[in-house]
Amino acid sequence: QQQVKQSPQSLIVQKGGISIINCAYENTAFDYFPWYQQFPGKGPALLIAIRPDVSEKKEGRFTISFNKSAKQFSLHIMDSQPGDSATYFCAAKNSGNTPLVFGKGTRLSVIA
Amino acid sequence: EAQVTQNPRYLITVTGKKLTVTCSQNMNHEYMSWYRQDPGLGLRQIYYSMNVEVTDKGDVPEGYKVSRKEKRNFPLILESPSPNQTSLYFCASSSGQGRSYGYTFGSGTRLTVV
Repeated sequence: QQQVKQSPQSLIVQKGGISIINCAYENTAFDYFPWYQQFPGKGPALLIAIRPDVSEKKEGRFTISFNKSAKQFSLHIMDSQPGDSATYFCAAKNSGNTPLVFGKGTRLSVIA
Repeated sequence: EAQVTQNPRYLITVTGKKLTVTCSQNMNHEYMSWYRQDPGLGLRQIYYSMNVEVTDKGDVPEGYKVSRKEKRNFPLILESPSPNQTSLYFCASSSGQGRSYGYTFGSGTRLTVV
C-alpha cells in the first residue's frame, strides 16, 4: 500500500515557467512533509519541508503548498531553470520513531 | 563536514558471492536507514535502525541483513546476492529529534549482480 502518491512521473517545463509536482497522502497522523531533490549520480538532498500548521512555505523560487483537508501538498518551482532539472521526491512522516515514507519521484526536465 | 559515507560507490559481483556495503555517519545521528532506488519504483526502504542494536525491517527486506553495533556504522549485507538485487543503494541518517526530521543521504552504491 503506497502511503504517499506522487504525480506526475515526469515533467517537461520551459525555462522561466512554473513546475508543479503534486503529492497526496492518507495517513492523517503525518505531521512533516519534506521535498527532496536528487541530481544524477547523487543522493537525495533535503530541499524544503512544511508542517501542517501552515498552508504555505516559500524558500526562494521553491514553494510548498499544503491542503490539510484534502490531504495534499505540492511543490511549485517558479522561474524554472535548466539547473533545476532533477528528480524530486515528496515524503511524509509522523512524530515518533517511524520512518520517512517517500513518493515514487518526479523527473523534471527544464528546457531552454 | 557533516556527511554520510558509503563504500564502495560501484560494485559488480557474481550471484551468490557474499558482499557488504558500508555506511558511516559523523553527525552522531541515532536513526539510520538503507534504501534501494529502481526506475519507476522510487526509494524503497530495506532496513532501518533507531539506535545501536535496534534494527527493523522496511518495505523490501528479503535477501538483506543489517547490523548496528556502533552508532556511526550501519552496514548492509547481502549473504547470497541475486540479479534482482541489482540496484542503486542509499544509506541515510537523521537525528530524529525535535521538529526536524531531515535525512542526510550518502552518495549511493551502484550494485550489479551478474
